[in-house]
Amino acid sequence: QQQVKQSPQSLIVQKGGIPIINCAYENTAFDYFPWYQQFPGKGPALLIAIRPDVSEKKEGRFTISFNKSAKQFSLHIMDSQPGDSATYFCAASIGETSGSRLTFGEGTQLTVNP
Amino acid sequence: GAGVSQSPSNKVTEKGKDVELRCDPISGHTALYWYRQSLGQGLEFLIYFQGNSAPDKSGLPSDRFSAERTGGSVSTLTIQRTQQEDSAVYLCASSNLPGRGRYEQYFGPGTRLTVT
Repeated sequence: QQQVKQSPQSLIVQKGGIPIINCAYENTAFDYFPWYQQFPGKGPALLIAIRPDVSEKKEGRFTISFNKSAKQFSLHIMDSQPGDSATYFCAASIGETSGSRLTFGEGTQLTVNP
Repeated sequence: GAGVSQSPSNKVTEKGKDVELRCDPISGHTALYWYRQSLGQGLEFLIYFQGNSAPDKSGLPSDRFSAERTGGSVSTLTIQRTQQEDSAVYLCASSNLPGRGRYEQYFGPGTRLTVT
């Protein structure tokens, strides 16, 4: 059962554009929603995360928007740069009950053209 | 400080052989996780260790997979009688659960396993 669905699978934008990656979840017990960035040959790196008690969180050029009623959350990258080209994964976990094991989306391959 | 380290970075093995993959978590992190990243399957949870508690093995795909964590630090993932479908990148992560920043998992670079 795929509990976190991510779209689009791939995304190409021009430098300065604002790519948006969307995720939807099924399990209402999820209470922690991180985004990870992965470059080829590297492990995923934690980018930004949100808890369901807020609707938006911003860190630098990265913003998470969270819609609890729709069970959706999204990542926006402002003023995107070629160096942002990577694969992005959304994820979700259920606090401490199951050790905060992460359930990941399928990933989005982002390309930012110069 | 040092991040999560994994060894080897690459492992090529013949079908039917056993392999051991090692993970050194961030110093002080009590929670340790193994995930597998493969084409078509994305990132999937395998096993979770927390302190001296019994590990959560619910994500292990078969009884050929096992893991242990010695002294609450280093962990070894063992795959017995490897099959071609075991080819994947095996990722280790650690977190400060249940302490400050406990939900944040930090990943190592992974071990790329190729079964020929």
